[in-house]
Amino acid sequence: QQQVRQSSQSLTVWEGETAILNCSYENSAFDYFPWYQQFPGEGPALLIAIRSVSDKKEDGRFTIFFNKREKNLSLHIKDSQPGDSATYFCAASAAGGYKVVFGSGTRLLVSP
Amino acid sequence: GALVYQYPRRTICKSGTSMRMECQAVGFQATSVAWYRQSPQKTFELIALSTVNSAIKYEQNFTQEKFPISHPNLSFSSMTVLNAYLEDRGLYLCGASTGGQEQYFGPGTRLTVL
Repeated sequence: QQQVRQSSQSLTVWEGETAILNCSYENSAFDYFPWYQQFPGEGPALLIAIRSVSDKKEDGRFTIFFNKREKNLSLHIKDSQPGDSATYFCAASAAGGYKVVFGSGTRLLVSP
Repeated sequence: GALVYQYPRRTICKSGTSMRMECQAVGFQATSVAWYRQSPQKTFELIALSTVNSAIKYEQNFTQEKFPISHPNLSFSSMTVLNAYLEDRGLYLCGASTGGQEQYFGPGTRLTVL
């Protein structure tokens, strides 16, 4: 059973549009949700994260919207740039634990 | 800032041989280190979680006999892949945490098995 699910394997947007990447989870004990950005040949880089006590976290062009009741969250990338083209992983962990559970990733392509 | 280095970045080994990979945290204390394998399909498998002053916890399908891990201090960890076979190929990632839930990853060691 996949605990963290990313429904879209890939997403293509035009430069300047807002890319929306969706994620859902199963385990109610998860309370920390990081998003990682991975470029080919590199390791995943922590992009932005949210805790379950919040419903929104913003950092520059990146915003996480979190719905605890529905157990889903989304990453919005405003004014998408070709340099944002990468694979984005939604992840989750529970308080007091170091185990991070990853989704299967969404490959984002931003076309100029 | 928090940096995690891994080496080697790439390695090739013959089937049945072993190889060791290393992970170093710079700029923070790696209280816990998690080793993952990322498949060519990009999915992450947690191999084991090592926390200072606690036993290393291996996930199902991964054993200490196959993937022995050392975590001797707050900045270094190593893992060996013993008797590597084709199914062991992938990108091995080290994720280090300093006590919170933020986990920082190195660039990975890509293992190719011939």
